[in-house]
Amino acid sequence: AQSVAQPEDQVNVAEGNPLTVKCTYSVSGNPYLFWYVQYPNRGLQFLLKYITGDNLVKGSYGFEAEFNKSQTSFHLKKPSALVSDSALYFCAVRDTWDNFNKFYFGSGTKLNVKP
Amino acid sequence: NAGVTQTPKFRVLKTGQSMTLLCAQDMNHEYMYWYRQDPGMGLRLIHYSVGEGTTAKGEVPDGYNVSRLKKQNFLLGLESAAPSQTSVYFCASSRTMTGDANYGYTFGSGTRLTVV
Repeated sequence: AQSVAQPEDQVNVAEGNPLTVKCTYSVSGNPYLFWYVQYPNRGLQFLLKYITGDNLVKGSYGFEAEFNKSQTSFHLKKPSALVSDSALYFCAVRDTWDNFNKFYFGSGTKLNVKP
Repeated sequence: NAGVTQTPKFRVLKTGQSMTLLCAQDMNHEYMYWYRQDPGMGLRLIHYSVGEGTTAKGEVPDGYNVSRLKKQNFLLGLESAAPSQTSVYFCASSRTMTGDANYGYTFGSGTRLTVV
């Protein structure tokens, strides 16, 4: 069965430090992987996605994510965190073997960046 | 501005009442989706549509109905609201099944529904 896990409910980092938000997935076929960010009282905004090709994907606002097939992971990273990065982050996966166009979202990770 | 518009933004219902949430997109997207967001559970797909006149069930369709009579609109209905349907509802749309190359899915700003 398809699933997405975000093992950390909350991640705390100091401004200027690197950040990592973890995501692991389980699919039957090949994964399409996504990261979204949600600011308070707003809808989700697309950050980046991996479909195929280079395992390191660069996205909006200086974020990047690395696809690791052997570890079935797609961790979100940023070299230097900003206070404005504080938000709720969701990982999502779509299974290429799934004909029903379903995205599976993780439970979300709250990122707190302290000044 | 182009995007996905949800109405209303907030609503309080009494148990047993009915209501319809409206989602409108002006990007000529084929695919539209309704999700609910609950704390600790992420987003769960309620229903979706792959084109005008089509609808399909997602993960948690019970207690909801949908219609896509026009390509730009996707309506979510609650026939008899229950407290378990208290949630934040998000509509999304996309041009392709995997989402637009630059934007993935485009989400609305959400509807916060409370059923008392």
